[in-house]
Amino acid sequence: KAGVTQTPRYLIKTRGQQVTLSCSPISGHRSVSWYQQTPGQGLQFLFEYFSETQRNKGNFPGRFSGRQFSNSRSEMNVSTLELGDSALYLCASNAERGNSYEQYFGPGTRLTVT
Amino acid sequence: AQRVTQPEKLLSVFKGAPVELKCNYSYSGSPELFWYVQYSRQRLQLLLRHISRESIKGFTADLNKGETSFHLKKPFAQEEDSAMYYCALSYQGAQKLVFGQGTRLTINP
Repeated sequence: KAGVTQTPRYLIKTRGQQVTLSCSPISGHRSVSWYQQTPGQGLQFLFEYFSETQRNKGNFPGRFSGRQFSNSRSEMNVSTLELGDSALYLCASNAERGNSYEQYFGPGTRLTVT
Repeated sequence: AQRVTQPEKLLSVFKGAPVELKCNYSYSGSPELFWYVQYSRQRLQLLLRHISRESIKGFTADLNKGETSFHLKKPFAQEEDSAMYYCALSYQGAQKLVFGQGTRLTINP
């Protein structure tokens, strides 16, 4: 099976702009989670989608949003970018394992806001 | 609130020596604990989870609910073990992980 893919891999934006990041999960996986990774805050959960519905949400402002399509591909959007949004954004494809899940991570999209 | 603490940012040991990466968590219920590893220029990947009770690449981790710990151990470190290690917790079956800050492990020849 192909792994998790994220596009683009690198992105440079200016403050105030908006950005959309894309994630294609492993075939057959219906759940996708998003994380933000920064040197100061580490890895922080953004949100999780299952069958096109947001099922879990982290503590991020409303500028961060996401969606999932019928083919399980997911996008996240950040509006009105701030310098502090510069980070590595990771997508995880979630495999059901009984009552639990295993998460398979993509390579990430590195966003730089100037 | 759920929290995962990895007290060591950096850990350096010699090849062949035992290694232990510490992880403590706070959660009042029954969490699921994981160790993830990120080798240089590779993506984050699952190393092991407490439910499976496996030994992966010689690493083991035991969940100690009394001490709320999930330390990662390996009796004889190898140079290829050098990487960033993250302890993570999930709860209530949620597909969200709470990560520790990570420990960078360096194995010296």
